[in-house]
Amino acid sequence: QKEVEQNSGPLSVPEGAIASLNCTYSDRGSQSFFWYRQYSGKSPELIMSIYSNGDKEDGRFTAQLNKASQYVSLLIRDSQPSDSATYLCAVNDAAAGNKLTFGGGTRVLVKP
Amino acid sequence: DGGITQSPKYLFRKEGQNVTLSCEQNLNHDAMYWYRQDPGQGLRLIYYSQIVNDFQKGDIAEGYSVSREKKESFPLTVTSAQKNPTAFYLCASTGGLFQPQHFGDGTRLSIL
Repeated sequence: QKEVEQNSGPLSVPEGAIASLNCTYSDRGSQSFFWYRQYSGKSPELIMSIYSNGDKEDGRFTAQLNKASQYVSLLIRDSQPSDSATYLCAVNDAAAGNKLTFGGGTRVLVKP
Repeated sequence: DGGITQSPKYLFRKEGQNVTLSCEQNLNHDAMYWYRQDPGQGLRLIYYSQIVNDFQKGDIAEGYSVSREKKESFPLTVTSAQKNPTAFYLCASTGGLFQPQHFGDGTRLSIL
């Protein structure tokens, strides 16, 4: 069974600070990694994709991937109250390219 | 606009009843997926289909059935054999290998 692990939180951060979310995965052959944001009662929306080791930045979001350590992280800079949500890490199944395994999610609370 | 449409938004099931959740996409995506999400949990894969007339069981297929007769449509039936069907059901699709999945708005199923 492929596993993706996240700290469930809540991760409480003051407005304007950096939120740092972590995710570890068990499938060493995984090649695609995604972060989704899910507001309460809503469906997940994609915020970042990353495929290569290193950092990828998109606006206030930075994804970091380290395949050797089987670790992917998400940084949210200048956190806003609207960033309060659950963030889901998803990793592809190396044996079935598009099939994803999701972590349980990290709940983030940004306090004004 | 292109997207994934799930219906209905809310559904109630009586004891011993089968119910069908609809998922339609106009993104021309080959692969489609059904997930179940319980409160405070991540997404668990029920069934997926990589191509028309073919589908595979996910991690929690017992008590569910699907069909894929058209590229655009991937309905999920929750059978009476599923004893704990109360959950948020999400349909997703993806357009290519290692591409992210995109989600519909979900169907919330409850027992009457």
